Amino acid sequence: GAVVSQHPSRVICKSGTSVKIECRSLDFQATTMFWYRQFPKQSLMLMATSNEGSKATYEQGVEKDKFLINHASLTLSTLTVTSAHPEDSSFYICSASFGYEQYFGPGTRLTVT
Amino acid sequence: GENVEQHPSTLSVQEGDSAVIKCTYSDSASNYFPWYKQELGKRPQLIIDIRSNVGEKKDQRIAVTLNKTAKHFSLHITETQPEDSAVYFCAARLTGGGNKLTFGTGTQLKVEL
Repeated sequence: GAVVSQHPSRVICKSGTSVKIECRSLDFQATTMFWYRQFPKQSLMLMATSNEGSKATYEQGVEKDKFLINHASLTLSTLTVTSAHPEDSSFYICSASFGYEQYFGPGTRLTVT
Repeated sequence: GENVEQHPSTLSVQEGDSAVIKCTYSDSASNYFPWYKQELGKRPQLIIDIRSNVGEKKDQRIAVTLNKTAKHFSLHITETQPEDSAVYFCAARLTGGGNKLTFGTGTQLKVEL
C-alpha cells in the first residue's frame, strides 16, 4: 500500500524557536498533501492543504505566517512552526492523497517548553 | 461546508460480539466515505471506504453501509477481537473539495475479554 513517512517523530524545542516537520510519500507521487493537528482524545483538525508548486490553502483560524507550508516536489511537503509557544504543543500529522484515498504519516509529537 | 457527526463516542463490547459505529453528514454532495482506525500515539489507518454509488461494502469482518437519502453511513465490525480496540474515525469527502476530508469526532472502541 501507499506509504507516507514523517520526520521527526518527536521534537522538543524552546519557546520562540522554529521547528520544521517533513512529510514524504515514499512509493507514490502526491499532488496534494494535508496537515492536521490532533489534541489528546480529539479528532483530526485540518490545518492546511498543500499543493505541489502552489501556495498552501489554510483553514479558517490557522495563521499562515505561523505555520509555513512548502510543497517543493510531488513527494515532499514541509510544515514549519515559527516562533513556537507552549500552546503549539500537539501531535501534527500529515497525509498524502492518492486518488480518493488519504494515507497518513506516523505523526510528529511537538513539545514546546 | 461539510459537517460530520459520529456516535457513540465510546463503545464497549465483549469479545466476539459485533460493534456498530454511525456517522451522519450534512452535505448531499459528499461522495466518498472512509473509515480510519487509530491506535494510541499512532497514525490513522484506512480500514475501509465506500463511494456514493455503492450501498454496502465488506472486507472480512468489517463492513460499511451507506444511506444517501438519510445521509448516514455506518461501520460494522463482527466477531470483535481485543486487537480491534482503538479509536475509529469516519470521514466524508465533498465533491469538488479537492480530496479534503471532514472527520467525525471519533469512537473509542474497547473490546473486553
